[in-house]
Amino acid sequence: DTEVTQTPKHLVMGMTNKKSLKCEQHMGHRAMYWYKQKAKKPPELMFVYSYEKLSINESVPSRFSPECPNSSLLNLHLHALQPEDSALYLCASSQVKLGVAEAFFGQGTRLTVV
Amino acid sequence: QQQVKQSPQSLIVQKGGIPIINCAYENTAFDYFPWYQQFPGKGPALLIAIRPDVSEKKEGRFTISFNKSAKQFSLHIMDSQPGDSATYFCAASMALNAGGTSYGKLTFGQGTILTVHP
Repeated sequence: DTEVTQTPKHLVMGMTNKKSLKCEQHMGHRAMYWYKQKAKKPPELMFVYSYEKLSINESVPSRFSPECPNSSLLNLHLHALQPEDSALYLCASSQVKLGVAEAFFGQGTRLTVV
Repeated sequence: QQQVKQSPQSLIVQKGGIPIINCAYENTAFDYFPWYQQFPGKGPALLIAIRPDVSEKKEGRFTISFNKSAKQFSLHIMDSQPGDSATYFCAASMALNAGGTSYGKLTFGQGTILTVHP
């Protein structure tokens, strides 16, 4: 099973709202990632968690707040977003085996900020 | 040094044709080169991947060719079908596995929009 599950699939939020994106994997992977993808562009890395600890923050604005409650779950808390934050938000997970990290992506949450 | 350059940006072939997508990288520390296929509104799906100590890998109709000295790799899709119409991303990964940290950092190419006409 190589499934990464993201909820919700679609989200519309106002600029003053607070919402959360959720991601779950049961592959036993110890690294989880958040990416942002704009139309016709490759995914851009936002955050990396390794063993439930934040390892990389790619200078993401503080209105995005990640959380890793346990090794299977990853959340992204959203607050006071801007319309330009509208994008497909992707979660991924990986495990380093034999020196390589094979990453699997979820289906994404399509976020629209109005 | 972290860039991966992908070409062409778009590609149109007839059913049964063999589209070829090319990627080039600079950083020799990359240790793994996956290709992802993405349909509109969906997440990228891992299609096939290769390590730099291998020159070619085939999985079904998909083949990666890897040229370590030239720092280039390519995806070939044999007997392409309309269902293969999607955006394809090459990527290069660097794994970090030390000091209680273990993850891979992916660098993506810009993507190729493939259209296969019936």
